[in-house]
Amino acid sequence: DTGVSQNPRHKITKRGQNVTFRCDPISEHNRLYWYRQTLGQGPEFLTYFQNEAQLEKSRLLSDRFSAERPKGSFSTLEIQRTEQGDSAMYLCASSPSGQVRTDTQYFGPGTRLTVL
Amino acid sequence: GDSVTQMEGPVTLSEEAFLTINCTYTATGYPSLFWYVQYPGEGLQLLLKATKADDKGSNKGFEATYRKETTSFHLEKGSVQVSDSAVYFCALSDDTGGFKTIFGAGTRLFVKA
Repeated sequence: DTGVSQNPRHKITKRGQNVTFRCDPISEHNRLYWYRQTLGQGPEFLTYFQNEAQLEKSRLLSDRFSAERPKGSFSTLEIQRTEQGDSAMYLCASSPSGQVRTDTQYFGPGTRLTVL
Repeated sequence: GDSVTQMEGPVTLSEEAFLTINCTYTATGYPSLFWYVQYPGEGLQLLLKATKADDKGSNKGFEATYRKETTSFHLEKGSVQVSDSAVYFCALSDDTGGFKTIFGAGTRLFVKA
């Protein structure tokens, strides 16, 4: 069990540029979540995949954000035309199959995005 | 919508002191409740959980009881250690409105030797 990994760990970009983050979940987990965390706050839900299907998206996920999980394994989160307000820690989590309501989520270390 | 409110930090305690971190929630259905912990430089990890009313979750000397009547899930530990210094997040998961998990803002705990 190598845990959830995320790359890159840090990303600094200029406003208006596009960025893409990758998440590799624990191999046997079929559920994958993306969250955003700003300083002093808890994680805010962005989106959820079961296998390759994106089953839920938060209102926080504007048109500039897109997430994919093409083969039900790794996932990417892309932010287009970044804004300074996008600066945050982006967290990925995965969980095994079972009842969603009782799932334990396993979190990656996060990707810290700074938009200049 | 669903929400979680937890006590503001930071909380500073001496080693071996008793810890309580308050957490209350609002939910439309019958949520599961969680405490996650984030140690310095590490990712969030589950500390304990309870999936129905009156359940008690426990781990590493920490306990929390799911109280439906007071919509609370307070975290307690009888004797804290320096190694317990971390940020603690209360969370709920309620599938009646979708698949999202709602987190509180977190409470930072400092334990002094």
